[in-house]
Amino acid sequence: KNEVEQSPQNLTAQEGEFITINCSYSVGISALHWLQQHPGGGIVSLFMLSSGKKKHGRLIATINIQEKHSSLHITASHPRDSAVYICAVYLKKSSGDKLTFGTGTRLAVRP
Amino acid sequence: DAGITQSPRHKVTETGTPVTLRCHQTENHRYMYWYRQDPGHGLRLIHYSYGVKDTDKGEVSDGYSVSRSKTEDFLLTLESATSSQTSVYFCAITAGWGSNYGYTFGSGTRLTVV
Repeated sequence: KNEVEQSPQNLTAQEGEFITINCSYSVGISALHWLQQHPGGGIVSLFMLSSGKKKHGRLIATINIQEKHSSLHITASHPRDSAVYICAVYLKKSSGDKLTFGTGTRLAVRP
Repeated sequence: DAGITQSPRHKVTETGTPVTLRCHQTENHRYMYWYRQDPGHGLRLIHYSYGVKDTDKGEVSDGYSVSRSKTEDFLLTLESATSSQTSVYFCAITAGWGSNYGYTFGSGTRLTVV
């Protein structure tokens, strides 16, 4: 079992829909990143959080440390939101924090 | 991102040839990382550097070497490329180590070994 699991793997939505992408992890963490990767493009950091909730424009990220779960929400989705969204967590290890990446959620928003 | 560039963006090479990928940063960040991205896997760490001439192995370092002779440049070398090294390679930088520091990624290098 992967230490970081994302769901769904693929998601298709209509423009304007509310979207939720989930990330769960198996051990304690120090912090969590949400990253965005456009087709053929580089990777951009959207959020880094260790508790609670952060909001930037139409994007909202939440984390529940007790349940080992984070969600990324996109309100009023738009075709330009089409991308792969990657969750990365700092897993607490005896050897030190280790940044581990999920396999990503591929989002397509149809006009 | 303007602070980090990778070159080349695309490369096709033959099995058995040496290949060097370059990562250049203008942020003066101490830490630099090389990752590979493959279908079905999350990004996996190949090597990282914590200063000039200071490097260490990541989880998938076999077949790769790195060098950092200047703060701004981190080179990844495939001494003898194999088809299993066909991948997209990303460089990243951070100002420090650990969860208090955000990552900045390069645009990636798509390497095909034929």
